[in-house]
Amino acid sequence: NAGVTQTPKFQVLKTGQSMTLQCAQDMNHEYMSWYRQDPGMGLRLIHYSVGAGITDQGEVPNGYNVSRSTTEDFPLRLLSAAPSQTSVYFCASSYLKQGARSTGELFFGEGSRLTVL
Amino acid sequence: GENVEQHPSTLSVQEGDSAVIKCTYSDSASNYFPWYKQELGKRPQLIIDIRSNVGEKKDQRIAVTLNKTAKHFSLHITETQPEDSAVYFCAASIGGGGADGLTFGKGTHLIIQP
Repeated sequence: NAGVTQTPKFQVLKTGQSMTLQCAQDMNHEYMSWYRQDPGMGLRLIHYSVGAGITDQGEVPNGYNVSRSTTEDFPLRLLSAAPSQTSVYFCASSYLKQGARSTGELFFGEGSRLTVL
Repeated sequence: GENVEQHPSTLSVQEGDSAVIKCTYSDSASNYFPWYKQELGKRPQLIIDIRSNVGEKKDQRIAVTLNKTAKHFSLHITETQPEDSAVYFCAASIGGGGADGLTFGKGTHLIIQP
């Protein structure tokens, strides 16, 4: 098992450019999510999904889009990058709480460091 | 929504001493409280968790306590070692006990002094 895989690990964008952060998991987790981590701000939830075809907003969704066409993949799109989106982004997945397999543990990817100039 | 406050933001202790990190939460419906450790440049990883039907849980040198009445939970690390240096995050989950819906605290940078 590779776990949660994020690409790219590093990216530099210019203001106004668009890009997609990729996230894939091979653990058959129903739940997938994106967090951003900024100094002194902890981990803030951007968007999440509880299954294919279902997405919802987290605490800081503005400027980001997501889709969940398969159980494995959950890409995060920045349509028009802004300097305020400079951050480290983590994708994370888990079993849903309702499932018998759920331990509650959130499995994180290695992170993607994004700089917007 | 849920709000999780974590203190202190930075904690420096001598190697071998104990460290305590405290968190409070706002929503009495929260019933799952995990702690994550993030080493420099790495991903956060779960180190211990507690559910609301338990007051204390221990795993070797780490323990977590929960006071539901005060809406307060704490991480205790005894006999600290250099490898304990990291950022620690507490979190709370509303209504279920799963990873979905987790709200994180802002983190505590634990520094172990040799």
